[in-house]
Amino acid sequence: GPKVLQIPSHQIIDMGQMVTLNCDPVSNHLYFYWYKQILGQQMEFLVNFYNGKVMEKSKLFKDQFSVERPDGSYFTLKIQPTALEDSAVYFCASSFGTGGAPEQYFGPGTRLTVL
Amino acid sequence: GDSVTQTEGLVTLTEGLPVMLNCTYQSTYSPFLFWYVQHLNEAPKLLLKSFTDNKRPEHQGFHATLHKSSSSFHLQKSSAQLSDSALYYCALIGRGDSNYQLIWGSGTKLIIKP
Repeated sequence: GPKVLQIPSHQIIDMGQMVTLNCDPVSNHLYFYWYKQILGQQMEFLVNFYNGKVMEKSKLFKDQFSVERPDGSYFTLKIQPTALEDSAVYFCASSFGTGGAPEQYFGPGTRLTVL
Repeated sequence: GDSVTQTEGLVTLTEGLPVMLNCTYQSTYSPFLFWYVQHLNEAPKLLLKSFTDNKRPEHQGFHATLHKSSSSFHLQKSSAQLSDSALYYCALIGRGDSNYQLIWGSGTKLIIKP
């Protein structure tokens, strides 16, 4: 099936530092998403992004979070500064987004550990 | 707002027995329903989706039927295999949602024993 790639697979940083998580979505997809999953807990929506803009974000998407996709390159999630509670696995997803094909495909995740 | 309910947090079965994982939903409009499967330390993978031109969606022996009258989309398989052990999420996208945001259930952990 369609592949979403995420780089890096693991990231360990000190609290207060900046981190950028990278996502290479499916090539013809138009909608991009970030989800957060704390170990043993359910998936939680963070944000979705379309046509260069944030369309919707959850309460988990704090002011320290930002997303962008400059010139069709990686779709990125930046956290600046990081906090201990940001430790989690972050999944990127993409979808074509029309009424006939709204299903989302997920990357393998980036495991972020904030010390 | 829209919501998905998975009542079983953990289901443990013996290999070869039938599987049924419950999923009910609330949505203003008739939504798209999905089942995702997540193996340990892997990404969620799309297992089934509800909108397959009135055909019952099937994949890897799993099937699910959308019942609008009972707002349900239960996942079933006739004979469980050891490799089916994983976390299963039911999720929906509301047809009135132009952002196509996935609303997730809490997940059901399925453990298949020999």
